[in-house]
Amino acid sequence: AQSVTQLDSHVSVSEGTPVLLRCNYSSSYSPSLFWYVQHPNKGLQLLLKYTSAATLVKGINGFEAEFKKSETSFHLTKPSAHMSDAAEYFCVVTRAWWGNTGKLIFGQGTTLQVKP
Amino acid sequence: EAQVTQNPRYLITVTGKKLTVTCSQNMNHEYMSWYRQDPGLGLRQIYYSMNVEATDKGDVPEGYKVSRKEKRNFPLILESPSPNQTSLYFCASSLSDKAANTGELFFGEGSRLTVL
Repeated sequence: AQSVTQLDSHVSVSEGTPVLLRCNYSSSYSPSLFWYVQHPNKGLQLLLKYTSAATLVKGINGFEAEFKKSETSFHLTKPSAHMSDAAEYFCVVTRAWWGNTGKLIFGQGTTLQVKP
Repeated sequence: EAQVTQNPRYLITVTGKKLTVTCSQNMNHEYMSWYRQDPGLGLRQIYYSMNVEATDKGDVPEGYKVSRKEKRNFPLILESPSPNQTSLYFCASSLSDKAANTGELFFGEGSRLTVL
């Protein structure tokens, strides 16, 4: 079975300081992992993805994530937070098997607050 | 502009009054899916469709119906809504189920439903 756990429901940072949003996963085989971002009153947008290529993945808006198999983690980072980064972030793992493809397993979400 | 359009965006209704949330995409996508988002639970899949006339249950299908008579439309039907269906609903589409597995999902902006 696959699952994903976001370790913080709420993270608050000051503008210009680093961002760390933590995600651990559980998977019985090699997973594909994603981070999605949801700005207020908007749909979700793909931020970045890991699909068994390079373990350090770069996404949009300066975000990146590192796949660490030994730690079963896929933490999202950004060196310097911007006010526009305030949003909800979802860590996602795919669960694909015959007859049930395309299904994504979402974490509980982490709300990122950026203070001026 | 490529988009997934949901209607209505906001709806307050009463228990037992049938309602339909429409979803339409203009990208000629084969794969479409409905999710509900509840605080602390992330997004959970309700139903998905791999193509026209091909629908299947997700994780939380009880109390919902869907249909896929045309490629572009994937309505979500609540035959007899109950208060536990109060939620934020998202429709998503992808070129195919395989594309969905690589995170290439396009989301609508959500429909907030309240059942009294």
